Amino acid sequence: GENVEQHPSTLSVQEGDSAVIKCTYSDSASNYFPWYKQELGKGPQLIIDIRSNVGEKKDQRIAVTLNKTAKHFSLHITETQPEDSAVYFCAATRGSNDYKLSFGAGTTVTVRA
Amino acid sequence: KAGVTQTPRYLIKTRGQQVTLSCSPISGHRSVSWYQQTPGQGLQFLFEYFSETQRNKGNFPGRFSGRQFSNSRSEMNVSTLELGDSALYLCASSFPSYEQYFGPGTRLTVT
Repeated sequence: GENVEQHPSTLSVQEGDSAVIKCTYSDSASNYFPWYKQELGKGPQLIIDIRSNVGEKKDQRIAVTLNKTAKHFSLHITETQPEDSAVYFCAATRGSNDYKLSFGAGTTVTVRA
Repeated sequence: KAGVTQTPRYLIKTRGQQVTLSCSPISGHRSVSWYQQTPGQGLQFLFEYFSETQRNKGNFPGRFSGRQFSNSRSEMNVSTLELGDSALYLCASSFPSYEQYFGPGTRLTVT
């Protein structure tokens, strides 16, 4: 099955700096890669996603890049703000008739004011 | 549009008992997936239902089961509870697109 590895496990950044989280996946058939943000006491919130036919996607301060050849994808948060502090998860799935998401272990991001 | 709702939000059960959790997907979504979240194992896929049929199943024992109704609402059941079943149980809805939207979860504590 799919194995997703996520690094780093914790990340502390100064407000206004950038944060980068990296994930690798093992299943070459995976073609959909979402990122989730989870705040304390809440369920994971989908913040951005990318499909295998796209190399990069941006949404305001958040961007995701995908390298299919190397089987890795990354989340970039620019101009971090205190409200960006949360646990972030990457995930991968084959999509189509298989909606099973395989998750990374998570990255705890702390934005220092 | 209302989000995914899960009931109850918190549950305390005793070893050996069984429990049923409920999930109402976003209106129009036909797929419901269930995940278990624990500090040690992270987020793990339990099963997915689409049009009342189980389409995918994760590596969990048969004590974990689920079903989906014609209105897409889903329930999961855990029988003969063990201490290790203490977790946050999350459901996510989707379809026709790939995006999965999670509910707030049910926090199950087994004592």
